Amino acid sequence: QSVLTQPPSVSGTPGQKITISCSGDSSNIRSNSVHWYQLIAGEAPRLLIHDDDQRPSGVPDRFSGSKSGTSASLAISGLRSEDEADYYCVSWDDALSGLWVFGGGTKVTVL
Amino acid sequence: QVQLQESGPGEVKPSETLSLTCSVSDDSMRGTFWNWLRQSQGKGLEWLGSINHRGTTNYNPSLKSRVTMSIDTSKKEFSLSLSSVTAADTAVYYCVRGSVGVLIRLQHFQYWGQGIQVTVSS
Repeated sequence: QSVLTQPPSVSGTPGQKITISCSGDSSNIRSNSVHWYQLIAGEAPRLLIHDDDQRPSGVPDRFSGSKSGTSASLAISGLRSEDEADYYCVSWDDALSGLWVFGGGTKVTVL
Repeated sequence: QVQLQESGPGEVKPSETLSLTCSVSDDSMRGTFWNWLRQSQGKGLEWLGSINHRGTTNYNPSLKSRVTMSIDTSKKEFSLSLSSVTAADTAVYYCVRGSVGVLIRLQHFQYWGQGIQVTVSS
């Protein structure tokens, strides 16, 4: 059971906009930044969004992040076939002595 | 672009210790945290622990009794030891460099290795 809650799967057609949600609580998302990663089998995981809504250089502006309260979202606009991957949200959790917590991952399928 | 490469055995026997090393291309290992994460088959990502250039560690509380991390800045390497392994420790293990900063809670996982599959099997 993951500390952060993501939908197991999201699908869309090419060109469509999809959104992946990430729900937490006051000890993680409300108090700390949310970061998003893309995992494709056989490749090194890729940082897509850091600090809630910051996009690293090289990441297309089709990817955007937002946060409100205890929830965060990753949006992918202009969906492309190469976006088919697993996406994870991550945040620091202040509980106990502190630790990184993750969502369970969302499988994005491009129909 | 910082590059990281995991190395170690691909198979470990139950109850033994899993040992992995990460070689990094960074000129300096200062000013950030070096991390180990893993992803089990069909499961999500899990953070095992972090270490800085001084050897200060933060471990996942659920694994703290079994995890040890070390760092050798002269060799540009850091390592993971996970003791008393079981089948539940079968996973792809990633070494990851954090972003620049001295506070772990303000970091993010910036650069990742390709990952190494480790299977626990007799």
